[in-house]
Amino acid sequence: QKEVEQDPGPLSVPEGAIVSLNCTYSNSAFQYFMWYRQYSRKGPELLMYTYSSGNKEDGRFTAQVDKSSKYISLFIRDSQPSDSATYLCAMRGSGGYQKVTFGTGTKLQVIP
Amino acid sequence: SAVISQKPSRDICQRGTSLTIQCQVDSQVTMMFWYRQQPGQSLTLIATANQGSEATYESGFVIDKFPISRPNLTFSTLTVSNMSPEDSSIYLCSVGGRDRQPQHFGDGTRLSIL
Repeated sequence: QKEVEQDPGPLSVPEGAIVSLNCTYSNSAFQYFMWYRQYSRKGPELLMYTYSSGNKEDGRFTAQVDKSSKYISLFIRDSQPSDSATYLCAMRGSGGYQKVTFGTGTKLQVIP
Repeated sequence: SAVISQKPSRDICQRGTSLTIQCQVDSQVTMMFWYRQQPGQSLTLIATANQGSEATYESGFVIDKFPISRPNLTFSTLTVSNMSPEDSSIYLCSVGGRDRQPQHFGDGTRLSIL
């Protein structure tokens, strides 16, 4: 079993839809949770960064962490064609430099 | 967040040759990280480079194949040696990741081996 599981998609939605992206993990030591957006031919760009459980909102994006279920989500409201990209979840423990474990990424296409 | 520049952005190389990838950061950082991203797979950490000491390699990666230099606090290089088609991948440089600092990435080097 992989340490982090992420549905690779592809996920295709119409413009304006609410998108839900998810990851599950097995390591209870993970404390920091990240979502990266990666456009074709570009590096991963940090989208959301949360510590421990709870919600964080930034514009059209909301990140949720449920440590009891070992489940994290990214919601995109009013999705736009410019949101079409691959979304990577990532997580790591706390205390100094900790190795980051990534999901395989979900490819999202928002259709105008 | 730090601005990370990688060179070259892409290259096509012959089997058996070596390529050195450069990573420049616009601020001083303690640790720099090198990742590989293969199609359909998650990012895999190759090694961690700390200025003034030998790089620390992850399981499955060795210094002879991926020598790393870290001459100062803003620069690092990764060499992919004696390349084979299996080395065709995206190589990414990253900084950050200590305590509450998230990791940030450069745009990567897209490497194809013929």
